Amino acid sequence: GAGVSQSPRYKVAKRGQDVALRCDPISGHVSLFWYQQALGQGPEFLTYFQNEAQLDKSGLPSDRFFAERPEGSVSTLKIQRTQQEDSAVYLCASSHPRGGYTFGSGTRLTVV
Amino acid sequence: QKEVEQNSGPLSVPEGAIASLNCTYSDRGSQSFFWYRQYSGKSPELIMFIYSNGDKEDGRFTAQLNKASQYVSLLIRDSQPSDSATYLCAVIMEYGNKLVFGAGTILRVKS
Repeated sequence: GAGVSQSPRYKVAKRGQDVALRCDPISGHVSLFWYQQALGQGPEFLTYFQNEAQLDKSGLPSDRFFAERPEGSVSTLKIQRTQQEDSAVYLCASSHPRGGYTFGSGTRLTVV
Repeated sequence: QKEVEQNSGPLSVPEGAIASLNCTYSDRGSQSFFWYRQYSGKSPELIMFIYSNGDKEDGRFTAQLNKASQYVSLLIRDSQPSDSATYLCAVIMEYGNKLVFGAGTILRVKS
């Protein structure tokens, strides 16, 4: 596609519910990043994939967070047993080896 | 000390003036530096990137990098109300490939 596509655009989850957020990167981009952005803050790194390999997951805040990219294209960020502190915008970005990071529109997660 | 620091603002400038946005970073070995613009409710949009010491100009935007001082700035000439947004500084550290962001500076251009 022409850009990075994320779905859903908005998600309201009840505390304790599991959620899955999808990212479809730009075709041909091997690197994919997930970020979490709280209100009034800059994006915080969560995890990084190169093709299907998850090379860095140091930013995942707890073992309730899990990400995968099984075929090296679409990625899913899963949050189990959501908590109120998980409420944020989740951004996906993909990059080309020559540089440049393009962000998707994000998924705004609200845990109630 | 945060890895990338920015003044949160808001920075208010009159229309037509030069807006100067500043950023410092902690990792002396950092190699790549980016400025993103983020409108309220939207995702970050890349404006400029710079890799070498000195100035890099693109239209009304100039990025300035001083690696000795660990300082990067963004100048916006002839500021317009449409430039009002949050400006995020981002750095790729020496041993990594992820963008590390500052908290952003809110810019308000008043007509």
